[in-house]
Amino acid sequence: EAQVTQNPRYLITVTGKKLTVTCSQNMNHEYMSWYRQDPGLGLRQIYYSMNVEATDKGDVPEGYKVSRKEKRNFPLILESPSPNQTSLYFCASRQFLPTGTGVEDTEAFFGQGTRLTVV
Amino acid sequence: ILNVEQSPQSLHVQEGDSTNFTCSFPSSNFYALHWYRWETAKSPEALFVMTLNGDEKKKGRISATLNTKEGYSYLYIKGSQPEDSATYLCAPSGGYQKVTFGTGTKLQVIP
Repeated sequence: EAQVTQNPRYLITVTGKKLTVTCSQNMNHEYMSWYRQDPGLGLRQIYYSMNVEATDKGDVPEGYKVSRKEKRNFPLILESPSPNQTSLYFCASRQFLPTGTGVEDTEAFFGQGTRLTVV
Repeated sequence: ILNVEQSPQSLHVQEGDSTNFTCSFPSSNFYALHWYRWETAKSPEALFVMTLNGDEKKKGRISATLNTKEGYSYLYIKGSQPEDSATYLCAPSGGYQKVTFGTGTKLQVIP
């Protein structure tokens, strides 16, 4: 079954304690990304990765790090979490398929979400 | 950051009614437009990926149209059912670059 798996689903932590949220996909997708969802603001992109060792900032990257050492994994790292990083986080992956004239964008698959609370 | 607007923000319809909502986005640097359905306590699920001006896609009672020249897409739901209750998100894509989501249209279908 095609899926994106995030862990943990729920996490309560204290300010300044480093944490990692893992994301893994089994579809061999090149493109992966992280989003946070806050009330009234919708999904905002934190970081994205176009392939192994290729990452770039999204719209709200401050306070986050990512790595892409393997195609299937794209962990989100909070080196020193703060209360304003309390949010619902989603990982997603998708594929760009080669066509005769370029590449075709395809649907994204989302993980189950991680609800993070920083106190 | 792309300016993506969805309207209305929310709406309530009676079961059996048809409804539609709008996604507006900048027409420059357009690559593709994604529509997602997001039920409470679940993850967003893809409905459509649209790329061509004038494109129309359909999945069951849900369909979407795309106008890339003027920068808008419509999502239609025919004969709404309670299980259609969800937030519908649109997201224009600039290709490999950042994806910007609208804040969504929250649909509540009243039995």
